[in-house]
Amino acid sequence: DTGVSQDPRHKITKRGQNVTFRCDPISEHNRLYWYRQTLGQGPEFLTYFQNEAQLEKSRLLSDRFSAERPKGSFSTLEIQRTEQGDSAMYLCASRSQGYTGELFFGEGSRLTVL
Amino acid sequence: GENVEQHPSTLSVQEGDSAVIKCTYSDSASNYFPWYKQELGKRPQLIIDIRSNVGEKKDQRIAVTLNKTAKHFSLHITETQPEDSAVYFCAAVGGMDSSYKLIFGSGTRLLVRP
Repeated sequence: DTGVSQDPRHKITKRGQNVTFRCDPISEHNRLYWYRQTLGQGPEFLTYFQNEAQLEKSRLLSDRFSAERPKGSFSTLEIQRTEQGDSAMYLCASRSQGYTGELFFGEGSRLTVL
Repeated sequence: GENVEQHPSTLSVQEGDSAVIKCTYSDSASNYFPWYKQELGKRPQLIIDIRSNVGEKKDQRIAVTLNKTAKHFSLHITETQPEDSAVYFCAAVGGMDSSYKLIFGSGTRLLVRP
């Protein structure tokens, strides 16, 4: 499968714990995005990488959230000291250079914070 | 800030009827407008898109229209089939100076009754 892959697909954790999600984009795509989707809502933009550089972060991204993309390949999204409000689907997406190319989404990582 | 409004939130049609979903956007610099379909538990997938130099685009039973002056665009599905049942999201490209992130509407749940 040469699409965007995310791991883990599901994560259940207790409030206060740290969690990390991984995204492997389509190999030739240099633009990588993280989105958050809650039930009944559209994906909300969290952050954007062009190659290894994190160039934009949403105001939604509190200081408990950090993302990296070392070497411009896979990316990780870490949430520290999770809260119940962090429960959501975290979607990773990638596209090639330019803005009119299709944004390819992964299947998402569903986080449940108890 | 950048915003996309979508309505209706739910739409129920009889098989064979047409369905129309409407969106408005706030960023006048936006010039790319994709539509994504998300089936239950699946990733969002692109079904059609339109660029601002075009007023209408058609692909078999699906068409999208764009009115840049009014900043609104619509998805039209003709001869609906039960497999069209899903959540549909409109989007507009934002961050035109850097990220070209997609700003999504809140979604329309389409139910096609057999």
